Amino acid sequence: DPKIIQKPKYLVAVTGSEKILICEQYLGHNAMYWYRQSAKKPLEFMFSYSYQKLMDNQTASSRFQPQSSKKNHLDLQITALKPDDSATYFCASSQEGTGGARAEQFFGPGTRLTVL
Amino acid sequence: TQTVSQSDAHVTVFEGDSVELRCNYSYGGSIYLSWYIQHHGRGLQFLLKYYSGNPVVQGVNGFEAEFSKSDSSFHLRKASVHWSDSAVYFCAASRPGYQNFYFGKGTSLTVIP
Repeated sequence: DPKIIQKPKYLVAVTGSEKILICEQYLGHNAMYWYRQSAKKPLEFMFSYSYQKLMDNQTASSRFQPQSSKKNHLDLQITALKPDDSATYFCASSQEGTGGARAEQFFGPGTRLTVL
Repeated sequence: TQTVSQSDAHVTVFEGDSVELRCNYSYGGSIYLSWYIQHHGRGLQFLLKYYSGNPVVQGVNGFEAEFSKSDSSFHLRKASVHWSDSAVYFCAASRPGYQNFYFGKGTSLTVIP
């Protein structure tokens, strides 16, 4: 059974529209993340949430808004879509403890977004 | 600013060969390092990590990596590769107390049967 579900797997949108990428994790983890991967750039960290609170935001644009309605959900809303937003968006989760060592992250299969 | 660099974009070896995938980082303080593997069309999977202690860490499927503070490196190695090891390998770094991870550009490993 998949432990991290991302929906949809493929998404095509027109410029200027708005889309929501869904992520649910069933690992019982306390931290969730969004990453973006495109042909032009390496894997980019976007957001991290811990216990449904935003911990870090490395996304310059306010068009990207994470939404956490439940502890194991972290959706990504993208407004005013641009062709440059075309990428594969990965959700990940981890069980973080105290101290400096980080836990391994588990990645979902990704949502491949194409903006025309 | 912290960066992670993977100097080889592509590496090709024959099945049974040994391989080393290189990773260097640019931060001087305490650092958490890890390697992930990504097969085509799939999400990343964790291989191994280092934070402190023995600089040689063992991971899944026979992979190991060695941390070197003097070289600012965390190279990944495998003694005998299998064709199924063909994938893209990412090195990642994070600092204690910080949430964000920095990933390298990835090294595409092709293993010829």
